[in-house]
Amino acid sequence: SQTIHQWPATLVQPVGSPLSLECTVEGTSNPNLYWYRQAAGRGLQLLFYSVGIGQISSEVPQNLSASRPQDRQFILSSKKLLLSDSGFYLCAWTDRYGYTFGSGTRLTVV
Amino acid sequence: TQLLEQSPQFLSIQEGENLTVYCNSSSVFSSLQWYRQEPGEGPVLLVTVVTGGEVKKLKRLTFQFGDARKDSSLHITAAQPGDTGLYLCAGAQPNSNSGYALNFGKGTSLLVTP
Repeated sequence: SQTIHQWPATLVQPVGSPLSLECTVEGTSNPNLYWYRQAAGRGLQLLFYSVGIGQISSEVPQNLSASRPQDRQFILSSKKLLLSDSGFYLCAWTDRYGYTFGSGTRLTVV
Repeated sequence: TQLLEQSPQFLSIQEGENLTVYCNSSSVFSSLQWYRQEPGEGPVLLVTVVTGGEVKKLKRLTFQFGDARKDSSLHITAAQPGDTGLYLCAGAQPNSNSGYALNFGKGTSLLVTP
């Protein structure tokens, strides 16, 4: 069966520090992978998606970036965090029937 | 621009009551999905509807996709405290080139008290 792992679960980082969130998928090959952010009281905002190794598409201009160094690995990064980067970050993969989400990372920038 | 509008935003009911939440849009979707999310966790897929007018039942939950594929509803019969959570609808637009990326509503936060 397919599983998705996301870490860390929680993270508190100072403004201006770098960020690296990792997501890995097991049990499937060549998945479509996504990073979403969920702010309090708001729906899920698509940040990046990837349909293959090295293929990254950005939906929202920001100081975040994403990379896909391996087929089942998706990384969300930032060189310098802003206060506005705080939120709940979710990784997901999908087939045509629906998404499977990771358990999320709660990021607080202080 | 929010493509999908969910209502109500918040709902607090007692155990045993029935409820309906709505997901509306002016856009047509090739499919629509409902998710349930608990605090601190990722959303979990409940159902996918793809055909206009389609009705799907999942135990006490009934999902309906509008005939024009622009709206959907979720009806819960005899709600239980375990139904508490954030219910999100999400739609996939036809001819999307983002690999099935979805547009999410802001969700309906449901609280069922004993």
